[in-house]
Amino acid sequence: GENVEQHPSTLSVQEGDSAVIKCTYSDSASNYFPWYKQELGKRPQLIIDIRSNVGEKKDQRIAVTLNKTAKHFSLHITETQPEDSAVYFCAASKRASGGSYIPTFGRGTSLIVHP
Amino acid sequence: GAVVSQHPSWVICKSGTSVKIECRSLDFQATTMFWYRQFPKQSLMLMATSNEGSKATYEQGVEKDKFLINHASLTLSTLTVTSAHPEDSSFYICSARTVGGGPLSGANVLTFGAGSRLTVL
Repeated sequence: GENVEQHPSTLSVQEGDSAVIKCTYSDSASNYFPWYKQELGKRPQLIIDIRSNVGEKKDQRIAVTLNKTAKHFSLHITETQPEDSAVYFCAASKRASGGSYIPTFGRGTSLIVHP
Repeated sequence: GAVVSQHPSWVICKSGTSVKIECRSLDFQATTMFWYRQFPKQSLMLMATSNEGSKATYEQGVEKDKFLINHASLTLSTLTVTSAHPEDSSFYICSARTVGGGPLSGANVLTFGAGSRLTVL
């Protein structure tokens, strides 16, 4: 099955700095890569995703990059703010026989943004 | 947007008892729901996929007799931890698939419930 590795497990930055979280996956058939943000005490929520037919996607201060050859993808957050503090999960998935995507999650990265 | 309601949020029980956790999709129908287990500082581990009107699909290593899943309607899936023991103490969270809107238009979104913290004494 799919195996997703995520690094670092903890990331501490100063407000305004950039943060980068990296993930690798093992199944070359995976073609959909969502990122979820889980704030303390809250449920995970999708913040951005990327499909295998593109190499980069951006939404305001967050961006994701994908290198299919190397089987790794990254989340980039620029101009970090204290409210960005949360646990971020990467995931990799492919379309299952029933037409659905069932993601395999990374272990999560606890991002701490210091004011 | 789509909301998944999960209850109870906290439950403490004695060893040997059974605990039922409910997951409801509000304002939308979910033919498929997913049950995850999350250990402290660890990832979301998929336990099983709940299918309305049919048997759940369990991940390797998950005991189906231990974790009973029922998906009796298009809006309700339940997870019952049978004969719970301290090692079953964990955070259980369900999710349903929805379609994203706005910047995430067309995305395959997993909408999560708030989770249930189970402590078995």
